[in-house]
Amino acid sequence: QKEVEQNSGPLSVPEGAIASLNCTYSDRGSQSFFWYRQYSGKSPELIMFIYSNGDKEDGRFTAQLNKASQYVSLLIRDSQPSDSATYLCAGRVGGGSEKLVFGKGTKLTVNP
Amino acid sequence: GAVVSQHPSWVICKSGTSVKIECRSLDFQATTMFWYRQFPKQSLMLMATSNEGSKATYEQGVEKDKFLINHASLTLSTLTVTSAHPEDSSFYICSAFWGNPGTAEYFGPGTRLTVT
Repeated sequence: QKEVEQNSGPLSVPEGAIASLNCTYSDRGSQSFFWYRQYSGKSPELIMFIYSNGDKEDGRFTAQLNKASQYVSLLIRDSQPSDSATYLCAGRVGGGSEKLVFGKGTKLTVNP
Repeated sequence: GAVVSQHPSWVICKSGTSVKIECRSLDFQATTMFWYRQFPKQSLMLMATSNEGSKATYEQGVEKDKFLINHASLTLSTLTVTSAHPEDSSFYICSAFWGNPGTAEYFGPGTRLTVT
């Protein structure tokens, strides 16, 4: 079964710190990975996607992908209280399927 | 990012009635739309994959006769919860995707269904 595993957390960091969110996946055929942020009672919002090994930066966010280790991470620099949310890691399964497999999410709290 | 809308944003209905939820991609043509359900404090659960002009593909354990999905155009998919019961009360979210494996799914704002 194709799975995406995330640290369930919760993760708590002080304002201004770096928050590090991690994710591993079981399907070596997965090609692209996505990080979504979900506030309580709201639907997921796309933060970043990555499909090449290495780092991808967008503002305060950096996604990292290591296909050999089947590992994806999201770093949030200069964390703000407004970053407090549940972060969902997702991988698009291989074999031509369009479905995303989601992790259970990591709840992040940024303390002022 | 791409914009996906859902209507209604919330609905309350009586047990035994049917409810239709619309999902629209506003600024792109979605080759595929997905329907998810999320119970409080739980993760997203994929219900079905919907492709324009063809029958939806349901995930294991999802009753296709209860959750009717129609994907009539590249910008509109509907989910009808038939003969709703209180246990169907949940947050229903659609997402849309336009077919390149490197592209993301964009989620609608969700519909909160309460069955009394």
